[in-house]
Amino acid sequence: EDQVTQSPEALRLQEGESSSLNCSYTVSGLRGLFWYRQDPGKGPEFLFTLYSAGEEKEKERLKATLTKKESFLHITAPKPEDSATYLCAVLGHSGTYKYIFGTGTRLKVLA
Amino acid sequence: DGGITQSPKYLFRKEGQNVTLSCEQNLNHDAMYWYRQDPGQGLRLIYYSQIVNDFQKGDIAEGYSVSREKKESFPLTVTSAQKNPTAFYLCASTPGSGNTIYFGEGSWLTVV
Repeated sequence: EDQVTQSPEALRLQEGESSSLNCSYTVSGLRGLFWYRQDPGKGPEFLFTLYSAGEEKEKERLKATLTKKESFLHITAPKPEDSATYLCAVLGHSGTYKYIFGTGTRLKVLA
Repeated sequence: DGGITQSPKYLFRKEGQNVTLSCEQNLNHDAMYWYRQDPGQGLRLIYYSQIVNDFQKGDIAEGYSVSREKKESFPLTVTSAQKNPTAFYLCASTPGSGNTIYFGEGSWLTVV
């Protein structure tokens, strides 16, 4: 069964303190791994799509990487405005339209 | 601007009533989805539609119904049969199979 586990559940960082969020997945043939940012009371905002192991993508202070078993979202020198819940999702070959979501990591960046 | 519009943002329902949540997209996407989000749980799929006039049940379809009469519209009806409807509902769309999924801003439904 396809599965996604995100860790940690919650993370508090000081402004400027870099860290990484983890997304471990089990899927029968990865078609894509997706990262989102979600602010309270709002819909998820798309960040990155990764398709194959070794792939990396960057946007401002965020960098996403992918291996065959997990993905990391690296946050470099975070600012308070980076505080949000970060969601990971995968799509495998077993379910053409079935995206599997993790429960997210709640990030709080303190000034 | 292109995007997915959900309305209303907040909705209150009395027990025994049906309510309908609207979802409209102008991205020309073929597939549309409805998810439910509860605290501490991942997004759960209610229904999805790959093309007009066709839709499939997701993991938690009981107590919900949908229609797809137009490519850009995918309304969700929460019926009185749904035992615990209070939640945050998200509409999403993709260009087709295997693509990035994009979300609307969500609708809060509260049973009073």
